[in-house]
Amino acid sequence: SAVISQKPSRDICQRGTSLTIQCQVDSQVTMMFWYRQQPGQSLTLIATANQGSEATYESGFVIDKFPISRPNLTFSTLTVSNMSPEDSSIYLCSATQGAVTDTQYFGPGTRLTVL
Amino acid sequence: GENVEQHPSTLSVQEGDSAVIKCTYSDSASNYFPWYKQELGKGPQLIIDIRSNVGEKKDQRIAVTLNKTAKHFSLHITETQPEDSAVYFCAASTSPGGGADGLTFGKGTHLIIQP
Repeated sequence: SAVISQKPSRDICQRGTSLTIQCQVDSQVTMMFWYRQQPGQSLTLIATANQGSEATYESGFVIDKFPISRPNLTFSTLTVSNMSPEDSSIYLCSATQGAVTDTQYFGPGTRLTVL
Repeated sequence: GENVEQHPSTLSVQEGDSAVIKCTYSDSASNYFPWYKQELGKGPQLIIDIRSNVGEKKDQRIAVTLNKTAKHFSLHITETQPEDSAVYFCAASTSPGGGADGLTFGKGTHLIIQP
């Protein structure tokens, strides 16, 4: 199974600023995703991070607000731009391996608080 | 898009008893159904999954059943133990294989095991 780490694990930020979250996988993976989990709530898919091309965003999420990079098969970043208190959430990275399995492994999450 | 409903939101059972959590999905094209366990401050951990060509799958004390006609699937935990206390999420995906698509999650069930 893939082991996923995220940095930072938590942060407190001022409104109007931006934060970049890093996701590192210990082995090459085919797909990487970013999710948001608001306090006490379920997970919502933000986007699919495509290697070497622009991310694919879900309805309600836009590139200007959540720019994503995936420069190689083991690393991705998510930036939360021009933050407001409503962006306070846990941001989770996930990944799948291989061409025949659907199993998604999740990172530990980044807990973001916007003041 | 896909909509996943999960019940109950909170479930309290006596240690040693069984727990059942139920989910329904809306998109008949969904073909992959994982269950995740999330402990406080951690990312979701896959506990069992099932594809639509299988009606039931079991792994020790955990089992999942799928009814494609009714579009619902359930998680069964037998002989519950204190360490089973956590939030459990069901999810669905229309992935053609290889985990190409992100997951749509239910709202979660807080399982409490009473000693």
